[in-house]
Amino acid sequence: GAVVSQHPSRVICKSGTSVKIECRSLDFQATTMFWYRQFPKQSLMLMATSNEGSKATYEQGVEKDKFLINHASLTLSTLTVTSAHPEDSSFYICSASGTSGGPAVELEQFFGPGTRLTVL
Amino acid sequence: GQNIDQPTEMTATEGAIVQINCTYQTSGFNGLFWYQQHAGEAPTFLSYNVLDGLEEKGRFSSFLSRSKGYSYLLLKELQMKDSASYLCAVTDSNYQLIWGAGTKLIIKP
Repeated sequence: GAVVSQHPSRVICKSGTSVKIECRSLDFQATTMFWYRQFPKQSLMLMATSNEGSKATYEQGVEKDKFLINHASLTLSTLTVTSAHPEDSSFYICSASGTSGGPAVELEQFFGPGTRLTVL
Repeated sequence: GQNIDQPTEMTATEGAIVQINCTYQTSGFNGLFWYQQHAGEAPTFLSYNVLDGLEEKGRFSSFLSRSKGYSYLLLKELQMKDSASYLCAVTDSNYQLIWGAGTKLIIKP
């Protein structure tokens, strides 16, 4: 099946610093990548959708200047949390969809393992 | 508005069968997914239904009724490792994935 990697898996940083999270599709071309945030005991919350080569579409309430998304190639998207604060501490998960050949082809999302961000 | 409903938590016994229900109201429908998510991990794909009926895959089966806006995930011969959250998600007419809050399944020996 399609594999999506995410790096780093865990990061602890001081308040005010910026953190970059990478999401890579390893064996397929991801035309669309999604960034989610999940707080403890809650469901996934979609933050933004990005298509390769174009600007990301952010969900309502998500600050695009704070959460910078770059989808420069069909295999890589990055999320940068700028000037992180303790309330940004969360589990960030990326997913990718594309011509994977999976059961739902372009509809199925393949998830990365997630990045746990802790801001002190 | 768009809405996905599923029970918050369920408990079942090892070796038994459990059915997790999901009802949805969305603007259009282009398929329903079930994902499994263990604590602290990302979701993993379980099943996809776009036509009415039952899809069986080993110990897991998923059913869909589009006219009723209803799906269920059936888990047979429960194992302790099946303890996880099960997420129902529907793709709407814009191909946006709408997520349910998830059902936490607790398996007891």
